[in-house]
Amino acid sequence: EPEVTQTPSHQVTQMGQEVILRCVPISNHLYFYWYRQILGQKVEFLVSFYNNEISEKSEIFDDQFSVERPDGSNFTLKIRSTKLEDSAMYFCASGGVADSTGELFFGEGSRLTVL
Amino acid sequence: AQTVTQSQPEMSVQEAETVTLSCTYDTSESDYYLFWYKQPPSRQMILVIRQEAYKQQNATENRFSVNFQKAAKSFSLKISDSQLGDAAMYFCAYRSARNYQLIWGAGTKLIIKP
Repeated sequence: EPEVTQTPSHQVTQMGQEVILRCVPISNHLYFYWYRQILGQKVEFLVSFYNNEISEKSEIFDDQFSVERPDGSNFTLKIRSTKLEDSAMYFCASGGVADSTGELFFGEGSRLTVL
Repeated sequence: AQTVTQSQPEMSVQEAETVTLSCTYDTSESDYYLFWYKQPPSRQMILVIRQEAYKQQNATENRFSVNFQKAAKSFSLKISDSQLGDAAMYFCAYRSARNYQLIWGAGTKLIIKP
């Protein structure tokens, strides 16, 4: 069964460092998402991506964040200069336009720890 | 703006018993989807059950069923014959028919007592 894969599963970084989180969505999906979940809190929407551009983003997704689909398969989230409050679990998800069920498929998440 | 509320931070149930998790939502839209996701300690978000708002019939997936009350904007999850493997965080989520952005509830931690 197709699945969304994310790497790394866990990354520890120093404050101010750049981090890139990688995702491989399901191949025939057209919509891609990043969500984050700070420990003990609810899941928050960060950004959606469609047709090679950002279609929607939340106020969390400021200039320190960027997304890219560099090669038609990977979908990356970059944090330019990490802050302590960026520590969270980051989930990638994908969905298909022909999918009338409305389901999003999630990866296992990348845990980011900023020291 | 749409909101999703889960009023039960934690619920516990005896193994083999039935438990109901509550979820209410607020929207002005008529066409949308509702989901229950399970997040076990392994952390992956797993879809449990989905409901299309235009369908009157409540969705059922094996031991999992929902009570969808559109007028009341309520979407509760019933787990029958609870098993130890059901222990997890359960998140209710709303999705407009216009896009794929999910609006999440705060989650309910389900504890299964052996």
